[in-house]
Amino acid sequence: DTGVSQDPRHKITKRGQNVTFRCDPISEHNRLYWYRQTLGQGPEFLTYFQNEAQLEKSRLLSDRFSAERPKGSFSTLEIQRTEQGDSAMYLCASTLTPTGNTEAFFGQGTRLTVV
Amino acid sequence: AQSVTQLGSHVSVSEGALVLLRCNYSSSVPPYLFWYVQYPNQGLQLLLKYTSAATLVKGINGFEAEFKKSETSFHLTKPSAHMSDAAEYFCAVSEGTGNQFYFGTGTSLTVIP
Repeated sequence: DTGVSQDPRHKITKRGQNVTFRCDPISEHNRLYWYRQTLGQGPEFLTYFQNEAQLEKSRLLSDRFSAERPKGSFSTLEIQRTEQGDSAMYLCASTLTPTGNTEAFFGQGTRLTVV
Repeated sequence: AQSVTQLGSHVSVSEGALVLLRCNYSSSVPPYLFWYVQYPNQGLQLLLKYTSAATLVKGINGFEAEFKKSETSFHLTKPSAHMSDAAEYFCAVSEGTGNQFYFGTGTSLTVIP
C-alpha cells in the first residue's frame, strides 16, 4: 500500500489555460474526495465519488471544474479556463465507505499557481 | 450542518512546554472528530480520532485529545513540545456515514527553542 498519490505536485499555468490533476487512491478504497485548500485556510470540500459515481458536488465546484473517476479507480480533476482565484492546493483523499469514525487518507496535494 | 471552530490561528510555545490547541464542534448528532497535522507543502496526516470507547484519545507523536460533550470541545494537547511539532494542525468533524469531512481553519504551531 503506497498511500494516496497525486500528480503533478506542482503546476504553474497561465490564466485561461486548462489543467488536469490526477489522484490514485489507496487501492481498496471505494470513496474518493477532492478538497481545495487556500493559504491559511482549512481544506474545503469540492466533490466526492463512491466507486465511479459522483455523488455530491460543492457549490465551490463551478462549471469550469469537472471531476471523473472512470472504473472507480483513479480520479481526475480538470479546471478549464483557469483564473487567478483558482490558485490553491488541491487535495485528494480516500476512504473505505465511512462507518463511524473512518478517517480519510490524504495525498500530498497538487499546488496550482495561475499567473 | 457540521462545523468546527479552532480558536487561535497561531500558537507559539517554548520547546518542552505544554501544547494546547483548541477545537470546538457544532453538531446535531454525535460527532466523529479528528485531528490532522500538515507539514509545509504536504498533505494531511491523521494524528488521532475520537472513538466513543473513551473520552481521552491518544494519538501519534505523543499527542492526545479529550472529548468533552458538555463543552462541545475536542482540544489537542501534548505535555512537552518538540521542535519537530512545528506544523499546521486541523480539527475535523464528519457525519460518520455521511458524505464529507468538515475542517477548521487550522492552527499554526511554532516551537521556540
